[in-house]
Amino acid sequence: GQNIDQPTEMTATEGAIVQINCTYQTSGFNGLFWYQQHAGEAPTFLSYNVLDGLEEKGRFSSFLSRSKGYSYLLLKELQMKDSASYLCAVRDEENNNDMRFGAGTRLTVKP
Amino acid sequence: EPEVTQTPSHQVTQMGQEVILRCVPISNHLYFYWYRQILGQKVEFLVSFYNNEISEKSEIFDDQFSVERPDGSNFTLKIRSTKLEDSAMYFCASSDLWNNQPQHFGDGTRLSIL
Repeated sequence: GQNIDQPTEMTATEGAIVQINCTYQTSGFNGLFWYQQHAGEAPTFLSYNVLDGLEEKGRFSSFLSRSKGYSYLLLKELQMKDSASYLCAVRDEENNNDMRFGAGTRLTVKP
Repeated sequence: EPEVTQTPSHQVTQMGQEVILRCVPISNHLYFYWYRQILGQKVEFLVSFYNNEISEKSEIFDDQFSVERPDGSNFTLKIRSTKLEDSAMYFCASSDLWNNQPQHFGDGTRLSIL
């Protein structure tokens, strides 16, 4: 089975930096994805990690530690439009490499 | 940029009726998925499909559910006898190769069971 845990809600200020954590327990880890989901819309892909370390993509970075079962998504220079849910999803070889999602972290960016 | 398209965007159906949700995956993608998201809850995996057969399915995907790729472009999800608790947003997704390719999601079909 899998457990994927994220904080339920976070609040941050426009222009600031925020870190959204994700911890997971899985038998056959084979990659971790971060998705953004605005209310009422589809998830959109942000980042992918399969090896330990930091992946940077513009204002967004994602970090993975496989030994700790831990990832974070770092959002810099926050903008109001970054208010959304951020979904951590893990691919598991024991699920035929299908993705399973955490419950998501609802981020509110305030002026 | 190519995208996954889903129709209809909103489907209202009486309990007990059959419903078919339609998806057109990205044309060169090989792997197809259906997910469900009940309002305010997490995205839940339903089923994955590759090479014209189901690869994996969750415990949610019981005998009331079926998937089909009737032609070279469409990928459908059928619910035979809908229940109130089937009310949710249903997302279709597709991906190219497995390992490091993300799944691309359609905009979803909001299914409301009355």
